[in-house]
This record gives sequence, C-alpha cells and structure tokens, in this order.
Amino acid sequence: EPEVTQTPSHQVTQMGQEVILRCVPISNHLYFYWYRQILGQKVEFLVSFYNNEISEKSEIFDDQFSVERPDGSNFTLKIRSTKLEDSAMYFCASSLGGPPEKLFFGSGTQLSVL
Amino acid sequence: AQSVTQLDSQVPVFEEAPVELRCNYSSSVSVYLFWYVQYPNQGLQLLLKYLSGSTLVKGINGFEAEFNKSQTSFHLRKPSVHISDTAEYFCAVSKIQGAQKLVFGQGTRLTINP
Repeated sequence: EPEVTQTPSHQVTQMGQEVILRCVPISNHLYFYWYRQILGQKVEFLVSFYNNEISEKSEIFDDQFSVERPDGSNFTLKIRSTKLEDSAMYFCASSLGGPPEKLFFGSGTQLSVL
Repeated sequence: AQSVTQLDSQVPVFEEAPVELRCNYSSSVSVYLFWYVQYPNQGLQLLLKYLSGSTLVKGINGFEAEFNKSQTSFHLRKPSVHISDTAEYFCAVSKIQGAQKLVFGQGTRLTINP
C-alpha cells in the first residue's frame, strides 16, 4: 500500500528557532493535513490544505505556523519561532478526496523544543 | 463543537478473548464516525467508518463497531483478539457538513497477553 513519508523522525531544536517538518504525501492525493499529539494528550487537528491553499485551520495554527506545497510532491509545516509547548509528535496525512475519505497518516516527527 | 471520549486509556486482554473499546461522542450536528489504529512506530490507519445506513460496521482485521445514536456511542469490538492487535486505537468524528478535520478521542492502548 502507498505510504505517507515524514522526515525527520526526530528533531531537537532550541526555543526561538525555526523548524520545518517535511512530508511526502501519496502522489495522487489532493487533500493534505497536519495533526499533532502532545505527550499524554489527544491528537489535535492543525490545518488542512487543498488546491494550494489552506481550507481549514484550528486555533492552534496561529501566525507562527505556515504550510507550503513547494514542488507538487512535498508538503511542509514551518514553525517560525518554536516554543517549549510546541514539543509534540507531528503527523502529516493525505487523502484522495475530502471528508469522509480515508486519511493516510505518516509515522510522525517527534519535535522536542529545549 | 464536537468532542470524543474514550472511556478506557488502557485495556489488557488475553489472546483469543473478546474485546470492546468504548467511545462516546458529543456533537450538536450530525457526524461521521471513525476508528483508527496505530501500531508501534507507524502512522494511524483507518480500521472502519460509519457514514450512514446499517449501524453495524465491519472493518479490517476482524473488527466491527456499532453506532448507537441514542447513546451517542460507537464502540469497537472484536470477538477474538490476536497478539498482533496490540496497538493504540483512536475513535474520531468529523462533521458531515463543511468541516474537514477529524476530532479524536484520547486513545485506548490495547495490550494482548499470551
């Protein structure tokens, strides 16, 4: 079965630094998502992206966050100035169609902000 | 807003025993319902979903779930578990109209003992 690939699997950064989390969605998918899970908490929606623009975002997704699909294959999440509370597992997902289509998730990037 | 409660954070069972993982949701509008599974070091995978029609939904790996509208529940069941079912299980909902995001419960860790 095709897979969503996320890199790196672990990233450690200093507070205030910029990080970019990278994802390669399944090639013919059209909808792209970022979710995150802080340790011990629920998986939370961050943002959905369709037709080269954000289609929905959560309250978490403030001005410090941005997403981009720079080259038609990668889908990135940038955090401009990381905070301690950004430490979490970040999951990328993609789907062929909109809801309630099955989401395919990557295995996540564990971000640690020190 | 939607919310999902998974009543058990951990469920240990013996191999070949039946299991039920409980999920209740709250929503002022109609929703789709999902169960996702996360095996160790992997991304979340769709087990099954309820969209409409028959309230008993069958999924992959022998799992099934029953939608109960009056009790706002969507419990997951398997009549006989295997060691390979050891994983984290997530219940989720999404609004039928408009929203693209999934709202997740906190997850239930299913541990199968030999």
